[in-house]
Amino acid sequence: GESVGLHLPTLSVQEGDNSIINCAYSNSASDYFIWYKQESGKGPQFIIDIRSNMDKRQGQRVTVLLNKTVKHLSLQIAATQPGDSAVYFCAVLTNTGNQFYFGTGTSLTVIP
Amino acid sequence: DAGITQSPRHKVTETGTPVTLRCHQTENHRYMYWYRQDPGHGLRLIHYSYGVKDTDKGEVSDGYSVSRSKTEDFLLTLESATSSQTSVYFCAISDPGQSNQPQHFGDGTRLSIL
Repeated sequence: GESVGLHLPTLSVQEGDNSIINCAYSNSASDYFIWYKQESGKGPQFIIDIRSNMDKRQGQRVTVLLNKTVKHLSLQIAATQPGDSAVYFCAVLTNTGNQFYFGTGTSLTVIP
Repeated sequence: DAGITQSPRHKVTETGTPVTLRCHQTENHRYMYWYRQDPGHGLRLIHYSYGVKDTDKGEVSDGYSVSRSKTEDFLLTLESATSSQTSVYFCAISDPGQSNQPQHFGDGTRLSIL
């Protein structure tokens, strides 16, 4: 199996600052990782993914870093905006099946 | 947004009654999933389907059954609802193909069992 945890349940940042959200996983056989954003009353929305053969991937204002040695994943949001306020969680897939394991989420609040 | 519609969006019912939640997709994706989301827990897989009439259990399948008679529809049934099944239920779809692909989610059904 797999267990997935996020380091902080809540995070507050000033508008324009960078945000870093962390996730730890337990299974070294995990090989595919996703970050989701969930706004109140809505379903999780895909942000960015990364496979285990990479250690960094960039999207628009977001970067995901993967450290397989310590089994740690982070999401960096550049120039955080009020619209970024939401719950963010990671999903981890092991190479033994097609079941994702989800973290509990970090609630990001952007202060104008 | 992925073409996923969940119905109903909200439901309140009583203990012991049967409940069916519907997930409808317009993406023709092969895989469909049902999750529940509860405070203090990450999304937990109830059941999933890898094709018409092909389903399998997830980690919290007790008390739930599913059916998939068409590619586009995946039904979740609580035969006799209990208060512990009060939750927000999410449907997801994916089409892994030759490599892993992300799951895309509907907007959920909030189910309250009194």
